[in-house]
Amino acid sequence: GENVEQHPSTLSVQEGDSAVIKCTYSDSASNYFPWYKQELGKRPQLIIDIRSNVGEKKDQRIAVTLNKTAKHFSLHITETQPEDSAVYFCASFPGGGNKLTFGTGTQLKVEL
Amino acid sequence: GAGVSQSPSNKVTEKGKDVELRCDPISGHTALYWYRQSLGQGLEFLIYFQGNSAPDKSGLPSDRFSAERTGGSVSTLTIQRTQQEDSAVYLCASSPTSGNTGELFFGEGSRLTVL
Repeated sequence: GENVEQHPSTLSVQEGDSAVIKCTYSDSASNYFPWYKQELGKRPQLIIDIRSNVGEKKDQRIAVTLNKTAKHFSLHITETQPEDSAVYFCASFPGGGNKLTFGTGTQLKVEL
Repeated sequence: GAGVSQSPSNKVTEKGKDVELRCDPISGHTALYWYRQSLGQGLEFLIYFQGNSAPDKSGLPSDRFSAERTGGSVSTLTIQRTQQEDSAVYLCASSPTSGNTGELFFGEGSRLTVL
């Protein structure tokens, strides 16, 4: 089945700096890659996603890039703010499959 | 309600007892997922329901775990003869379509503690 690896597991940045989280996937047929944010004690919520027919997508301070050849995708957060502190999960949906496989999560801490 | 509703929010039980966790998805959502999140860990897939199709049970960790979805709406996850390693937050999510065409909407989760 699909295997998604995510790193780093923890990331500390200074407010205003950029943060990058990287994921790799194993199934070359995967075609949908969402990112979820989970604040402490709350439910995961979708923040951005990308499909396999594009290489990059931006939404204000966040962006996701996809390299299908290398089977990896990344989340980029610019001008980080304290409210960005949370656990971020990447996920992959394999073509022909029916379930999202999540990475193990990255604990992002934005320090003042 | 407007979102995915799960109950109970917290459940403490003794080892060996059975527990039932309930998920009420967003009305009209055909896809329903159960995930398990252990302390500080990722999201472990358990089971997936899509419409009237046979569920994908490939993530259930043992035969002590089962789930059903009645009438294409409410789902119940049952854990028999609970063990301490079952302690985790059980998250339910629903989606208006299969997972690769839409967002998953998660509930707040049911925190299970097995003593």
